[in-house]
Amino acid sequence: GAVVSQHPSWVICKSGTSVKIECRSLDFQATTMFWYRQFPKQSLMLMATSNEGSKATYEQGVEKDKFLINHASLTLSTLTVTSAHPEDSSFYICSARDQGNTEAFFGQGTRLTVV
Amino acid sequence: GENVEQHPSTLSVQEGDSAVIKCTYSDSASNYFPWYKQELGKRPQLIIDIRSNVGEKKDQRIAVTLNKTAKHFSLHITETQPEDSAVYFCAASMGSARQLTFGSGTQLTVLP
Repeated sequence: GAVVSQHPSWVICKSGTSVKIECRSLDFQATTMFWYRQFPKQSLMLMATSNEGSKATYEQGVEKDKFLINHASLTLSTLTVTSAHPEDSSFYICSARDQGNTEAFFGQGTRLTVV
Repeated sequence: GENVEQHPSTLSVQEGDSAVIKCTYSDSASNYFPWYKQELGKRPQLIIDIRSNVGEKKDQRIAVTLNKTAKHFSLHITETQPEDSAVYFCAASMGSARQLTFGSGTQLTVLP
């Protein structure tokens, strides 16, 4: 299957700083990527849909100015958590779908810990 | 939007027994229903999926059934093994360009 790579796998940052997470589709072009957040023992909740060359679509309750998404190319989307706080600590996972392929491919996730 | 409910939240079975996890969805336009297995700290892994034009699909010890009229689908694992222990999520989506809506997850424990 297609490969989606996410970086970094884990990151620890101080409160008030910003963290950037990258999501790359390695062997296919993804016009759309999705960003999910997963708190411990909970499900994956969609944060936003990242569209190549246009603004991201955010789910209700997700602050677009706090979670900045950039999808500048067909193989890369980035999520920047700005002014991070301890409550932003979570597992962030991206996914992408190859055109014409219903299956979604997930990145390996990023464990963010804000101290 | 779509809402997916999943039951049970936890399930313990003896090795060799069968496990069944059930999900319901709300949007009749959903046409793709994958099941994922997620181990702690890892990405979800697709184990089986079904499209709305099919009622049942089987892959070795794993099967999924779909009832479009009732808007529910189920995961069946037979001859369970300890390595089947994980969290399982169902999901639903409309078309290949749309996001997945996940169920709340089921922690499956297979007791040796």
